[in-house]
Amino acid sequence: EDQVTQSPEALRLQEGESSSLNCSYTVSGLRGLFWYRQDPGKGPEFLFTLYSAGEEKEKERLKATLTKKESFLHITAPKPEDSATYLCAVRGGGFKTIFGAGTRLFVKA
Amino acid sequence: DARVTQTPRHKVTEMGQEVTMRCQPILGHNTVFWYRQTMMQGLELLAYFRNRAPLDDSGMPKDRFSAEMPDATLATLKIQPSEPRDSAVYFCASGLAPMPLGQGIAGFSAFFGQGTRLTVV
Repeated sequence: EDQVTQSPEALRLQEGESSSLNCSYTVSGLRGLFWYRQDPGKGPEFLFTLYSAGEEKEKERLKATLTKKESFLHITAPKPEDSATYLCAVRGGGFKTIFGAGTRLFVKA
Repeated sequence: DARVTQTPRHKVTEMGQEVTMRCQPILGHNTVFWYRQTMMQGLELLAYFRNRAPLDDSGMPKDRFSAEMPDATLATLKIQPSEPRDSAVYFCASGLAPMPLGQGIAGFSAFFGQGTRLTVV
């Protein structure tokens, strides 16, 4: 059965304190791994798609990496506006896309 | 600015009533997903469509939930009768999946609407 596990559940950082979020997955035939950001009361906002092990994507202070078993979302020198819930999702056979429970990130000024 | 539009944004209804949620996918997108989000379960996939055809609705309680795409610009999720445990935020997402299906399915990005917050009392 396809599974996605995100850790930690919550992460509190000081502004400028870099860290990483983890997404471990089990899926038959990975078609894509996705990272989303969700702010309270809003829908998830697409950040990245990763397709194969070794791939990396960057956007501003965020960098996503992928191995055969997990993905990391690295946040470099975060700012308070980076506070949100970060969701990881995987798509296996067909179009079925499964989400993890998310990591709630709090960045304090 | 292309976006997925969901209506209504909020719905409060009494147990036993019928609820219909609507979604307008991004123009040109050929794949539509319905998700439900709760604090306890997170984002759960209910159903998804490709080119208006339902591919998988195994995530939905079949006896009370139904999902349809009457045309390419409208997807609906209906609950009849509604129950308090259906209270959640329902999201619609759309994406452009590569064609044809048989040549391999590359990952494609799905874009979410703002959701419908349903409260069943």
